[in-house]
Amino acid sequence: QSVLTQPPSASGTPGQRVTISCSGSSSNIGSNTVNWYQQLPGAAPKLLIYSNDQRPSGVPDRFSGSKSGTSASLAISGLQSEDESDYYCAAWDGSLNGVVFGGGTKLTVL
Amino acid sequence: QVQLVESGGGVVQSGGSLRLSCAASGFRFSRDGMHWVRQAPGKGLEWVTFIRHDGSNRYYADSVKGRFSISRDNSKNTLYLQMNSLRAEDTAVYYCAKSSQLPGALDYWGQGTLVTVSA
Repeated sequence: QSVLTQPPSASGTPGQRVTISCSGSSSNIGSNTVNWYQQLPGAAPKLLIYSNDQRPSGVPDRFSGSKSGTSASLAISGLQSEDESDYYCAAWDGSLNGVVFGGGTKLTVL
Repeated sequence: QVQLVESGGGVVQSGGSLRLSCAASGFRFSRDGMHWVRQAPGKGLEWVTFIRHDGSNRYYADSVKGRFSISRDNSKNTLYLQMNSLRAEDTAVYYCAKSSQLPGALDYWGQGTLVTVSA
């Protein structure tokens, strides 16, 4: 059971916009910034979004993040086949004194 | 460019010990906190432990507290994870990751090393 809650799966067709939700609590998302990671099949995770809505250099602007209260969302617009991947949200948890991850969402491009 | 290369994984019997290493290059290792994160086969990411840039503070997941120990040698640009009293549920790919200045943001990851604990 993960501390942060994500839907296990999501899907969309090429060109569509999809969103992935992430729900937490006051000790993690409610009081710290949210980060999103993309893990392509067979690869290490990669930082996709940091500080709720910031993109590292090289991440396409099709990817965007937002946060409100104790929840966050990742949006992917103009869906492409190469976006098929696992996506994880994460945040520092001040009560646990550690990083907490969501269970991951497997995105399928139909 | 930033590179993190883990080593030391392998097969170990339940109750045994293993030490993982993570060789860092391409950034000022002594200035950044470092994490270990693991992923059991077919499962999601699980944070394991974090150490501050100077080793002054270390944090552990409850699942490994008292059994695992994180350390670093800034003169060798190397991060370590000493794993004792290993259990079957510790079987996973272990990633080392560099911490950004923001808490919880891991901006670079290694390719991981597989640890298999046999019964």
